[in-house]
Amino acid sequence: QKEVEQNSGPLSVPEGAIASLNCTYSDRGSQSFFWYRQYSGKSPELIMFIYSNGDKEDGRFTAQLNKASQYVSLLIRDSQPSDSATYLCAVKGNAGNNRKLIWGLGTSLAVNP
Amino acid sequence: GAVVSQHPSWVICKSGTSVKIECRSLDFQATTMFWYRQFPKQSLMLMATSNEGSKATYEQGVEKDKFLINHASLTLSTLTVTSAHPEDSSFYICSAGAGTLHSPLHFGNGTRLTVT
Repeated sequence: QKEVEQNSGPLSVPEGAIASLNCTYSDRGSQSFFWYRQYSGKSPELIMFIYSNGDKEDGRFTAQLNKASQYVSLLIRDSQPSDSATYLCAVKGNAGNNRKLIWGLGTSLAVNP
Repeated sequence: GAVVSQHPSWVICKSGTSVKIECRSLDFQATTMFWYRQFPKQSLMLMATSNEGSKATYEQGVEKDKFLINHASLTLSTLTVTSAHPEDSSFYICSAGAGTLHSPLHFGNGTRLTVT
């Protein structure tokens, strides 16, 4: 079982729609959860991070965390063509490994005009 | 805040030469920095964890004698690709964070290395 799993996609949504990106993780002791966006040929950029159960909103982005289900998601409202990228989920582990991120393979999102 | 600067952004070198890549945390101190490599259309691969004042920790399969890492200060880590070969051509990215449990990693802009 992979430690952090994401659907590779591509996920295709029309402009203006809500894009929903999902991520599951295997280590129940995981403490912090991060969403990064990576455009082709560029380095990842941080979108949001969350460490408490529930929702966290920042502009058009909402991160949702459910530790009981070991599930974290990212919602993008009013999707724009510029949101087309690969979205990477990353999980920071327990105290023994708390500075190293475990990465999913990413979900490719395409927002169609 | 939290800016990571990486230089150079691209480099072309001849086979057999060495290339040094610098990674700086501009507005925070980073006791730990991470070096990644990414081949086209593939996922990020962690190469090594750079620890200030001590030896780097390399991931399995990464040659420590080929990829020399030096983390001499709280704001600077360097990766030197020694005796580079065409198969070392890749996108190298460094990242750093404040080091606390919930602090995110911030990435440099990456270095595209082409070995001819």
